[in-house]
Amino acid sequence: DPKIIQKPKYLVAVTGSEKILICEQYLGHNAMYWYRQSAKKPLEFMFSYSYQKLMDNQTASSRFQPQSSKKNHLDLQITALKPDDSATYFCASSRGGCNQAPLFGEGTRLSVL
Amino acid sequence: AQSVTQPDARVTVSEGASLQLRCKYSYFGTPYLFWYVQYPRQGLQLLLKYYPGDPVVQGVNGFEAEFSKSNSSFHLRKASVHWSDWAVYFCAVSMLARSKLSFGKGAKLTVSP
Repeated sequence: DPKIIQKPKYLVAVTGSEKILICEQYLGHNAMYWYRQSAKKPLEFMFSYSYQKLMDNQTASSRFQPQSSKKNHLDLQITALKPDDSATYFCASSRGGCNQAPLFGEGTRLSVL
Repeated sequence: AQSVTQPDARVTVSEGASLQLRCKYSYFGTPYLFWYVQYPRQGLQLLLKYYPGDPVVQGVNGFEAEFSKSNSSFHLRKASVHWSDWAVYFCAVSMLARSKLSFGKGAKLTVSP
């Protein structure tokens, strides 16, 4: 059973709309992350959260907003969608401490038309 | 800034042959290094991780990697490739295991019969 659940698996949106990508982890981890993978760029880090607090933000656009309603949730809200936002968005998590590699979910593939 | 270079974007290996996938990193300080594998339409799975210590690390499915500080490298190896190893392999570096990962562009491995 997958321990990091991302919903939906596939998502089609129209330009200008807003979508929320869901991520839940059942590993007991306290750090969660979002990464993006597109055809034009390699896997790139977007956000990291620890104990529901934002630790690092490498996303220039404020259209991307992570939301952590529970400690095992880190959703990603994307507003004013653009075709360039088309990508696969991966959620990841890791345990506290310096000795844990992030584990990844299966991703949400977003297509913006 | 930390960065990773995977010089071989596509590698073809015969089943049963040995494999080496190269990874060069650029980082000031002590790096934490990782290899992940991505099977078609799936998320990333951790193969192995390096934290300061023994330079040769063992991973899953017979993979191992060797860290070289003098060469700034972290090459992945496997003695005998199986058809199920057909996937994309990513090398990644971070400052701390919990901080952001910087990924290489990936190496697509094709296994020929």
